Formats: sequence, structure tokens, C-alpha cells
Amino acid sequence: GQSLEQPSEVTAVEGAIVQINCTYQTSGFYGLSWYQQHDGGAPTFLSYNGLDGLEETGRFSSFLSRSDSYGYLLLQELQMKDSASYFCAFSGGYNKLIFGAGTRLAVHP
Amino acid sequence: IAGITQAPTSQILAAGRRMTLRCTQDMRHNAMYWYRQDLGLGLRLIHYSNTAGTTGKGEVPDGYSVSRANTDDFPLTLASAVPSQTSVYFCASSDSEAVEQFFGPGTRLTVL
Repeated sequence: GQSLEQPSEVTAVEGAIVQINCTYQTSGFYGLSWYQQHDGGAPTFLSYNGLDGLEETGRFSSFLSRSDSYGYLLLQELQMKDSASYFCAFSGGYNKLIFGAGTRLAVHP
Repeated sequence: IAGITQAPTSQILAAGRRMTLRCTQDMRHNAMYWYRQDLGLGLRLIHYSNTAGTTGKGEVPDGYSVSRANTDDFPLTLASAVPSQTSVYFCASSDSEAVEQFFGPGTRLTVL
């Protein structure tokens, strides 16, 4: 079957660094995406890893290891506005995304 | 219009009624998608369309149908709503060659 696992909740303080892990299981894999969703809002795209390694976009970085079926999202210099849910998702083919259940990040002062 | 719009914003529906959720995008994206989001389950793909005139089934297609008569519109129909279809529904679109999907604001549907 196809599945992704990520922690349900993570808590951190402002200015800190937090890592959200994602492991996946699938027979066909094209890449791993990350989306952010604030309460009551729509998911918004953060990053994509099609190849192994680290992708950096400002304060956010994402990593993929295909051999370990594992990826993570790294958020640096946390701000209160980063409090949201974060979803990893893999592409099983032609942009059809399979999402994880999401990680709720709470940033405290 | 900028991006993706969905209508209605929210709806309360009696079980057994027919309902169509509307989705329109102005980005000329080839691909469009419908997801449902339930607490603790993330987003699950219902149906998708790679280009106008074609549709396909996602993870949870039962009880839903879609059509793609043109590039911009991708309506989702519940032929006979059941309480288990209570959810938040998101429409999304993407360029065929891109990995980023753009999501609409969602429709909150309650079936009683």
C-alpha cells in the first residue's frame, strides 16, 4: 500500500529550529512535497524534493533520502506565524499527491 | 478572479440530496483536483483531471462524480449525500509540468 507517517504534534519556541520528519511507503515514487496550512485556510506549497539532498528556501529547508524512504522539513528562526499544520505528500504519478495526516506545529513565545 | 475560487463557502445539506460544489481557476492550468480533508486524516484525493475532457479516480471516489468540460471549471457532484461526506472540500490546480498545486479556499459541507 501507500502511506506516509509524520508526527501529529510538535511544539517549539520562537527563534528555535524544528525538524518535522516524514517516512513513506509506496511502490511508485516521484518526489516529496511539503505544504503548510493555517487553521481555517487552504494548503500552500512550501517545497519539493525530486532528488536526494537538501533544498533550501529562506528559513525553510527540506531533505529527501530515497534509499531510506525518508524526508524532513526544517524550519529555522521560528516565528509565531509559523504555527500551522505541515503536510508531507508524495507524488505517485502525474502530480497525484498522497498526503500524510499532518503535523501540527505550535510556536510559543 | 485571481487563482482558484470555490462555491459555496459552506453548506448544510440533508442526507439524500444532490449537491454540486463549484471550482473555477483562472491560471489556465491543465490539471485540476478535488480533495476532502477530515480531522486526523489529512487530505485525500477524490477525483482529478489531467486536461479538459478527461477525469480520473483518486483514493476516495465513491459517491462523487466530476466533469471537465473546459480548462477553467471542475465541478464536484454528490449524487445523494450521506453523513460520512461531511468534510471540508478543497479544489486545486497545477501546471502539467509543475509539482506545485494551488488550492482554493475550500467548501465546508455538513450532511445531516
